[in-house]
Amino acid sequence: AQSVAQPEDQVNVAEGNPLTVKCTYSVSGNPYLFWYVQYPNRGLQFLLKYITGDNLVKGSYGFEAEFNKSQTSFHLKKPSALVSDSALYFCAVRDRGSTLGRLYFGRGTQLTVWP
Amino acid sequence: DADVTQTPRNRITKTGKRIMLECSQTKGHDRMYWYRQDPGLGLRLIYYSFDVKDINKGEISDGYSVSRQAQAKFSLSLESAIPNQTALYFCATSDLAQNYNEQFFGPGTRLTVL
Repeated sequence: AQSVAQPEDQVNVAEGNPLTVKCTYSVSGNPYLFWYVQYPNRGLQFLLKYITGDNLVKGSYGFEAEFNKSQTSFHLKKPSALVSDSALYFCAVRDRGSTLGRLYFGRGTQLTVWP
Repeated sequence: DADVTQTPRNRITKTGKRIMLECSQTKGHDRMYWYRQDPGLGLRLIYYSFDVKDINKGEISDGYSVSRQAQAKFSLSLESAIPNQTALYFCATSDLAQNYNEQFFGPGTRLTVL
């Protein structure tokens, strides 16, 4: 069975500080991993994904994520947070061996960056 | 994403009413999905479709039905709405060509059932 855990409902950081939003996953095979962001009253926007290769993936708006197979994690990071990064962040996983191609989402982490 | 549109954007209805939410896409994608979002629960899959002739139940399909009228259109119906179907509903699409392709989401429909 596939599942995603985002252990923190809320993350608060000061502007200019580094941020980390945590994600761990469980799949029966090898994963494709995704991060999405949701701004208020908007749909989900794709940030980045891990397919294969380099464990450090770079995405939109200066975000990056590190795939760690041994820890089954895919934490989202940014070296210097902006107030405009405040949003709801979702991690998602897909089993690359699945023909159905379903995405399984975590419950989301609310990121608040204060000035 | 303007390529995936949902109508209506907001809807208030009463218990027992039939309601349809519509989704259209201009991305040319084969796969379409309906999710609902509830606070603290993330996104849960209601139905998904890989082409016009293919409809699959997701994890919470009870009380919902769907219709894939064309490659570009995927509608979600609540035959007899109930208050616990109050939620934010999202349509999404993806390209069948590669299994690692991301999904693209519409802006959402906020449904309130009184």
